[in-house]
Amino acid sequence: GENVEQHPSTLSVQEGDSAVIKCTYSDSASNYFPWYKQELGKRPQLIIDIRSNVGEKKDQRIAVTLNKTAKHFSLHITETQPEDSAVYFCADRRGGSNYKLTFGKGTLLTVNP
Amino acid sequence: DAGITQSPRHKVTETGTPVTLRCHQTENHRYMYWYRQDPGHGLRLIHYSYGVKDTDKGEVSDGYSVSRSKTEDFLLTLESATSSQTSVYFCAISDIASGRALLSYEQYFGPGTRLTVT
Repeated sequence: GENVEQHPSTLSVQEGDSAVIKCTYSDSASNYFPWYKQELGKRPQLIIDIRSNVGEKKDQRIAVTLNKTAKHFSLHITETQPEDSAVYFCADRRGGSNYKLTFGKGTLLTVNP
Repeated sequence: DAGITQSPRHKVTETGTPVTLRCHQTENHRYMYWYRQDPGHGLRLIHYSYGVKDTDKGEVSDGYSVSRSKTEDFLLTLESATSSQTSVYFCAISDIASGRALLSYEQYFGPGTRLTVT
């Protein structure tokens, strides 16, 4: 997509609490929304994704929700653990864009023990 | 790691010198991408390739060129490096997943190259 806004830029939670990161996209033709986790000094790794024909997807403690009308999607992490501390990036892909992704600027999540 | 390697992993070079970074993949993926990552900017696409000798520009392509003469290698060249090109560079691959039931949009990243231009 053309533009992806990600909030918040930093998030600090206590171990066991939930964390929510939200992204807003601008192009109604966007049809794929991945989330990446990047630990310090490492490569971004895909943790979950959702396509535009689905409203929610879960994988153990993480879930992604998509609201196409409002053009936003969110990452939900429940029962946070210190190893969840990382930078999280959202992205979107516009249909017909040769599989290009546009990334948000990232959220630094810190889980305090 | 989806069979992606990058070389070199670290490089320090002087302003004005040419630099070439290499991305190598072993699994015959069709699509390859070069991103740069800078604090406060996330991941920004420089160039991408959708096949051998087929490349196109991303959002921050000025000062960079690419080449893909064979499926497994995607080269990123800084013709004359500048300090503003100090960054971490990531290569990524994705596939239209021939043989699978669904098109695959996932992108998988290489380990990155830290480039410092002094």
